[in-house]
Amino acid sequence: GAGVSQSPRYKVAKRGQDVALRCDPISGHVSLFWYQQALGQGPEFLTYFQNEAQLDKSGLPSDRFFAERPEGSVSTLKIQRTQQEDSAVYLCASSLETGGGGETQYFGPGTRLLVL
Amino acid sequence: DQQVKQNSPSLSVQEGRISILNCDYTNSMFDYFLWYKKYPAEGPTFLISISSIKDKNEDGRFTVFLNKSAKHLSLHIVPSQPGDSAVYFCAAIFRYTGGGNKLTFGTGTQLKVEL
Repeated sequence: GAGVSQSPRYKVAKRGQDVALRCDPISGHVSLFWYQQALGQGPEFLTYFQNEAQLDKSGLPSDRFFAERPEGSVSTLKIQRTQQEDSAVYLCASSLETGGGGETQYFGPGTRLLVL
Repeated sequence: DQQVKQNSPSLSVQEGRISILNCDYTNSMFDYFLWYKKYPAEGPTFLISISSIKDKNEDGRFTVFLNKSAKHLSLHIVPSQPGDSAVYFCAAIFRYTGGGNKLTFGTGTQLKVEL
């Protein structure tokens, strides 16, 4: 079966522009996560969905970041008025079950965002 | 504050020898630990995990050791192969009621296995 897919793979934005990043999780996976990976760093948690419910958004760096998963499958991460510090790889991951069992997260290839 | 630390940014090992990657953590609430492997332009791929109630987990050439008292874990790869060359991330989970298994990652160690 298909893995986690993300689009676009690369995005160049001018400072101040809005961007939308898409994640298609593995079919049937309940949990969906977004992570941000800056150059030379490990991925950092942004937000978590259980089906369509956003249960944890504690990692979103500012109110310019917004994520949704309206039908419990595809998710979109939106960044408004992009800044240069938003330049990073944005990773999406999904897992079959909900929390409590250490279930494996499967990652997509990421979207590399460059803000000029 | 970095709750998961990988103090060695890079490691070079000869093919056939053992690779040992180290990871330290500070949050005693972490109760599950994972290792992910990442190739360039790809997302991290799960490698092996260990629960905090165990001190060792083995899967083929990969073994993870956990020392809870020292808040330290290590990944052993033996024998190392050129295809193992990648960035290895240590990650930890604190499983709490109502929460997802959000991963806290280290900064990664670039492993290079030389012929």
